[in-house]
Amino acid sequence: NAGVTQTPKFRILKIGQSMTLQCTQDMNHNYMYWYRQDPGMGLKLIYYSVGAGITDKGEVPNGYNVSRSTTEDFPLRLELAAPSQTSVYFCASSSLAGGHGDTQYFGPGTRLTVL
Amino acid sequence: AQSVSQHNHHVILSEAASLELGCNYSYGGTVNLFWYVQYPGQHLQLLLKYFSGDPLVKGIKGFEAEFIKSKFSFNLRKPSVQWSDTAEYFCAVNAGYSTLTFGKGTMLLVSP
Repeated sequence: NAGVTQTPKFRILKIGQSMTLQCTQDMNHNYMYWYRQDPGMGLKLIYYSVGAGITDKGEVPNGYNVSRSTTEDFPLRLELAAPSQTSVYFCASSSLAGGHGDTQYFGPGTRLTVL
Repeated sequence: AQSVSQHNHHVILSEAASLELGCNYSYGGTVNLFWYVQYPGQHLQLLLKYFSGDPLVKGIKGFEAEFIKSKFSFNLRKPSVQWSDTAEYFCAVNAGYSTLTFGKGTMLLVSP
């Protein structure tokens, strides 16, 4: 199993550009999450999904959008990139059994810089 | 809403020193508690977790944590740290149907 994979690893965007961060998991997990990690701030939840076709906002959803058309994939979309979105983005997944309280498995992250 | 507080942002220790990282949470009901670790350049991985039962939880690499309900704490401990323990450590809490809330993290630097 590859676990949780994310692409790209690094990306530099100009202000106003858009991009999609890809996340795929091969563990048949129902729950998937997007976090951003900023220095000294821990991880903040952007969006999450409890299954295909179901998504919900987390703590910091503004400026982002998500979709979940399959169990495996959970892409994160930035429509109009802003410098405040410079961060490291992590995707994670967990099984249905424990709900949000189950162990989360993280991807390697995408380091995004917006200039 | 639940919240998590980690007492120290940075900790510097020499090899073989003992480690205790503090974590307090605010929620009055039943909680699930986690410690995740992020080694330099790597993604987060689970160190240990508490769901119920014995409040002393043992994790990987010799780490343990004790859940003290009366103090709303879940401190992480290791009797003797190694250089390879250099990493950032995150405490996290989940209560009921809520999503996971992470603390701000503690950066541990172990000097050889």
